[in-house]
Amino acid sequence: NAGVTQTPKFQVLKTGQSMTLQCAQDMNHNSMYWYRQDPGMGLRLIYYSASEGTTDKGEVPNGYNVSRLNKREFSLRLESAAPSQTSVYFCASSELMGTSTDTQYFGPGTRLTVL
Amino acid sequence: QKEVEQNSGPLSVPEGAIASLNCTYSDRVSQSFFWYRQYSGKSPELIMSIYSNGDKEDGRFTAQLNKASQYVSLLIRDSQPSDSATYLCAVNDYGGSQGNLIFGKGTKLSVKP
Repeated sequence: NAGVTQTPKFQVLKTGQSMTLQCAQDMNHNSMYWYRQDPGMGLRLIYYSASEGTTDKGEVPNGYNVSRLNKREFSLRLESAAPSQTSVYFCASSELMGTSTDTQYFGPGTRLTVL
Repeated sequence: QKEVEQNSGPLSVPEGAIASLNCTYSDRVSQSFFWYRQYSGKSPELIMSIYSNGDKEDGRFTAQLNKASQYVSLLIRDSQPSDSATYLCAVNDYGGSQGNLIFGKGTKLSVKP
């Protein structure tokens, strides 16, 4: 099993360009998440999908949109990239959020630079 | 604003010593607690989860939870240079958004040979 996979691994964008970060999991998990990690700020939740067909905003949703394409895939879209969105983006999945032993597993990350 | 606090470090210990990493959290409703290890340039990797007061041991790692004091710690025995990484404490947010995790900013551990 590959676990959680993310594409691309690295990306450089110019201000105003758009792009979609892809995430897929093969663990039959119901819940999926997108985080960003910035130096000194820790991991911050952008959006999450508790189950297929649902998405909700996290702590820092502005400038992003998401799509839960099916149970396996959860994409993050930047419609008009800004330098403030330069960060490392992690996708994670868990069996079912809200249960007492639910545990999140992370993908390898995407390093995004916006010039 | 719910918070998870960790000493940012760096915490430096000699090889073979015990490394002690600490975390406090503000939400009394939290029920699940996690320690992740993150090597530089890599993604967080789960090391331990703990749900009940007391100690939980897994190999060289021991997690300790005290819900009354809102405190969780991670002990690493016989520390190795390969343990050098940033350790993230995470707490579930049952009082807020459906049980999402709140992460601390991490403690950087350096194990000197």
